[in-house]
Parts: sequence; structure tokens; C-alpha cells
Amino acid sequence: DAGVIQSPRHEVTEMGQEVTLRCKPISGHNSLFWYRQTMMRGLELLIYFNNNVPIDDSGMPEDRFSAKMPNASFSTLKIQPSEPRDSAVYFCASRTTGTVNQPQHFGDGTRLSIL
Amino acid sequence: GNSVTQMEGPVTLSEEAFLTINCTYTATGYPSLFWYVQYPGEGLQLLLKATKADDKGSNKGFEATYRKETTSFHLEKGSVQVSDSAVYFCALISSGAGSYQLTFGKGTKLSVIP
Repeated sequence: DAGVIQSPRHEVTEMGQEVTLRCKPISGHNSLFWYRQTMMRGLELLIYFNNNVPIDDSGMPEDRFSAKMPNASFSTLKIQPSEPRDSAVYFCASRTTGTVNQPQHFGDGTRLSIL
Repeated sequence: GNSVTQMEGPVTLSEEAFLTINCTYTATGYPSLFWYVQYPGEGLQLLLKATKADDKGSNKGFEATYRKETTSFHLEKGSVQVSDSAVYFCALISSGAGSYQLTFGKGTKLSVIP
């Protein structure tokens, strides 16, 4: 079975540019999570969706960040305009919401570098 | 609120040494506990889990026991290999207030040398 698929794997762009990260969750999973990982802050939850609806976006750092989930098989995280401090690895994860002990399954991440 | 505290790294061990990575937690309700592993350049993978007190999760020679009395979930392996070099994250999920968010520790980097 395919896991969580993220694209691109690497992105290098100049500050001020718009960046769009993409995620395809595991089929049948109805919760989706976006995380950011840096050396300084570790792993941070940015936002998560249940059944395509954003539930908690309190981790989104600024208005420059936005996330959408137009359907059950696709989500985007957008940064506009991007800044060097946004450089990090961004992970998407998905899970089913049947019981509390269902684990999250992670993609391989997008390594973002803002110059 | 929920929180997870795990031992600071990095941890460097020789091959075949015994491994312990300490993890303690605070949580509302009755959390489920997890260990995730992150190999270089990859995402996090579930290593093992335990869903109630005294449960023991195990996988690939790793074990952890859910200790409610000490609010701990320490990761152990009797004989580590070079291929175990990775970052290990302790995490919990609690269904308080209908939320299913994972709360992670900061991660412990393990390096195993031949």
C-alpha cells in the first residue's frame, strides 16, 4: 500500500516567493496533519484536519501560512511570501479517527530552503 | 495540558550495547503512548505503541512498558546495531476534549558505532 506522499521532496527558492507543498494521505484516512521540523524547535504541529475540515490551526506561525484540504485525498500548505526563517522540513501525516490509539503515518517530508 | 519529556541526546553507543532512552509524560485522561523513529532523510515511522497501563509494546528488538504509576514509557533494546542509528521520539495521544493530536518529545539522537 502507498504511504503518505509528499511533493516536492526538496524545494529551494528565494525569499518573497510563494511556496506550495503538497500531500496525499493514505486512502481511507480521514485526519491529516502538517508539521514543521527544525533543529531549534523540534517537531511542531501546524494544523490538522478531520474529514477535510480544519480543526486546529493554532500552530500556524503567521498569516503568511495557509493550508487547504479540498478533498479527502489532497492537501496543500502554502507560504506567501516566504522568508528565510521558514526553512525547515515539513511533514504531512495521516491517520484514521476510529480509536484514539491509531497511530499517525508520516510522509518523507519536504525539505524547504528559502534563500 | 499534555507534555512529553525525554532524555537529552545525543547518545553514542558501541554495537551490541544495551540501550535505554527515558521518557516521562503528563496527560489528561488515559493516553496511548508511542515511540517513533526517524532515520536520516526520512519521515517518522511508528516503532511501537502501548494503549493501557502495564502494556508492553515491542518491535525489532525494542521494548517499552507503559508505567502509569511512574508516568513513564522508557525505550529499551538489549543489543543495538549500527542500523539503529536514528532519532527516537516518544509521543502520546489523549482523547481529552475530542482531540487526537500527538504530543511529541524533543527527540533523542542515537548513534551506534561499530
